[in-house]
Amino acid sequence: KAGVTQTPRYLIKTRGQQVTLSCSPISGHRSVSWYQQTPGQGLQFLFEYFSETQRNKGNFPGRFSGRQFSNSRSEMNVSTLELGNSALYLCASSLASGAGELFFGEGSRLTVL
Amino acid sequence: AQKITQTQPGMFVQEKEAVTLDCTYDTSDPSYGLFWYKQPSSGEMIFLIYQGSYDQQNATEGRYSLNFQKARKSANLVISASQLGDSAMYFCAMREPSRRIKAAGNKLTFGGGTRVLVKP
Repeated sequence: KAGVTQTPRYLIKTRGQQVTLSCSPISGHRSVSWYQQTPGQGLQFLFEYFSETQRNKGNFPGRFSGRQFSNSRSEMNVSTLELGNSALYLCASSLASGAGELFFGEGSRLTVL
Repeated sequence: AQKITQTQPGMFVQEKEAVTLDCTYDTSDPSYGLFWYKQPSSGEMIFLIYQGSYDQQNATEGRYSLNFQKARKSANLVISASQLGDSAMYFCAMREPSRRIKAAGNKLTFGGGTRVLVKP
């Protein structure tokens, strides 16, 4: 059974650009949540999508957005990138929202120059 | 107050020995879930073990077991027979109902992590 797949694995952008990251959950999983990991702030929750609806969001500015498609694949977008947005972005999938295990992908490592 | 506290920033363990990683949590909700993840230098977060607050027995998964002490709000991870491949960062995390959405969801709050180095 395939795990959570995130693309791209690595990318480099410059300030002011935008970026889109993709996450394909484990087959049958309907919940996808996104996390940002930085050395200074650790792991922080960005948002969760379940059945194509944003279910919850963390304390991030509106430049961070996401969506989920009917096949449960999810994308997150960061517009007007800042240097501080350099991070490992991890997505996690789960069968349901609020119960059971969460399985993470390998992450997308974003560097903003 | 921090929701999840991992007091051991780093530790060495001898190969084949057992190691206990500490995790304490803070919540007033009776329904919550506790997770442990392993993160090697490659960056991926590997799920190790899960304990629900209503689970009567401590969770076990192979060499991993969770010492769940509800009254003390502690969820320590025990790794038995350490292997060199166990060298990694280990994160404890909690899922609890969200005040924002007034329902359970999949928002995890993570501790700061413990770096484990296994010595041959």
